[in-house]
Amino acid sequence: AQKITQTQPGMFVQEKEAVTLDCTYDTSDPSYGLFWYKQPSSGEMIFLIYQGSYDQQNATEGRYSLNFQKARKSANLVISASQLGDSAMYFCAMREGRMGSARQLTFGSGTQLTVLP
Amino acid sequence: EADIYQTPRYLVIGTGKKITLECSQTMGHDKMYWYQQDPGMELHLIHYSYGVNSTEKGDLSSESTVSRIRTEHFPLTLESARPSHTSQYLCASSPDLGTGGRDTQYFGPGTRLTVL
Repeated sequence: AQKITQTQPGMFVQEKEAVTLDCTYDTSDPSYGLFWYKQPSSGEMIFLIYQGSYDQQNATEGRYSLNFQKARKSANLVISASQLGDSAMYFCAMREGRMGSARQLTFGSGTQLTVLP
Repeated sequence: EADIYQTPRYLVIGTGKKITLECSQTMGHDKMYWYQQDPGMELHLIHYSYGVNSTEKGDLSSESTVSRIRTEHFPLTLESARPSHTSQYLCASSPDLGTGGRDTQYFGPGTRLTVL
């Protein structure tokens, strides 16, 4: 079974509008972290936002917010007021395991977001 | 702001050559990682390190090898490059913040390798 599922291979949004990128995850570990990264066409991976499994509130970082629904095992990324520079591939990732483990990241297949002028 | 560097950014090389991809970070992070990514696809972990003299293989089998002699340096070597090694290689590092810590992985710019 896929540990991280991103069901939207591609998304389009009008500039200045909000967009939600979906991510569901699968784990039996009670301690985990969820991450979103942005990858522009230049190839680097840019960290956007983090949500811990024990965090009581949804994470927010500027125009990025994470809609964390633990019971549904979903961690959707919401980008408000989209900008042309937001066009990129977006990856959801999960880190399982307690301290002392390798704490590797497992990545989803990504969503290609295109912001239209 | 992450300070992690990879060289070269782009490499085109012939089959059978030995190559080393460099990765350095100036943040003093104990943990470092190598990922392989084909275009438009997800990242797969190929190697990781907890610290100096510690290296482990990741989930994706790879013919490459790594070393960690210094905290800041985590090079990846392919003894004999083949066309199947054509991919992007991304290096990352993360701090070890102890129990409850948020150990975000910060990535370098990547190396795009093409083996002819």
